[in-house]
Amino acid sequence: GAGVSQSPSNKVTEKGKDVELRCDPISGHTALYWYRQRLGQGLEFLIYFQGNSAPDKSGLPSDRFSAERTGESVSTLTIQRTQQEDSAVYLCASSLQIGTLPETQYFGPGTRLLVL
Amino acid sequence: AQSVTQLGSHVSVSEGALVLLRCNYSSSVPPYLFWYVQYPNQGLQLLLKYTTGATLVKGINGFEAEFKKSETSFHLTKPSAHMSDAAEYFCAVSRYSGGYQKVTFGTGTKLQVIP
Repeated sequence: GAGVSQSPSNKVTEKGKDVELRCDPISGHTALYWYRQRLGQGLEFLIYFQGNSAPDKSGLPSDRFSAERTGESVSTLTIQRTQQEDSAVYLCASSLQIGTLPETQYFGPGTRLLVL
Repeated sequence: AQSVTQLGSHVSVSEGALVLLRCNYSSSVPPYLFWYVQYPNQGLQLLLKYTTGATLVKGINGFEAEFKKSETSFHLTKPSAHMSDAAEYFCAVSRYSGGYQKVTFGTGTKLQVIP
């Protein structure tokens, strides 16, 4: 596709429910990142994928959060037993990963999650 | 370890005035530095980046930033603000670690342009 897409764009859920957020990266981008952006705060790194493996999960805030990537393409971020503090915009970004110089990360529009 | 500090969560300028958004970083290795812009209800978009070479970097929409190692700064400037520049701006620092680029973002600066 032309850019990174995310779905749904908005999600309202009740506390305790599970949610799945989807990211479709730019075709050919081997690197994929998930970030969380709470209201009035910067981006908080959650997880990084290189291909289908996740060498860095250090940003996942708790074991309620998990993510997977299949076919070196689509990624899903799952939040189990959602809590009100999970309310945020979840951003996905993808990039090439060639050598050691930084590649530009291309961001999706985000999923705005509200936990009631 | 690396970190980014953006001074001023909100900046207001008049249309046509100079835009100056401040960013200071700390990094244990030579940094790669970025500025991203986020328009309302959109994802982040790269404005410019510094990797190596010339310390004055020009980006899109007339923005530029200068890497000053002695001051550990990477301030973003634009000579004349336009209404369409109203957005949130994020400074970021990146380092290569564990086989990939780990990017740390600042908390952002919201730019308001007053007509």
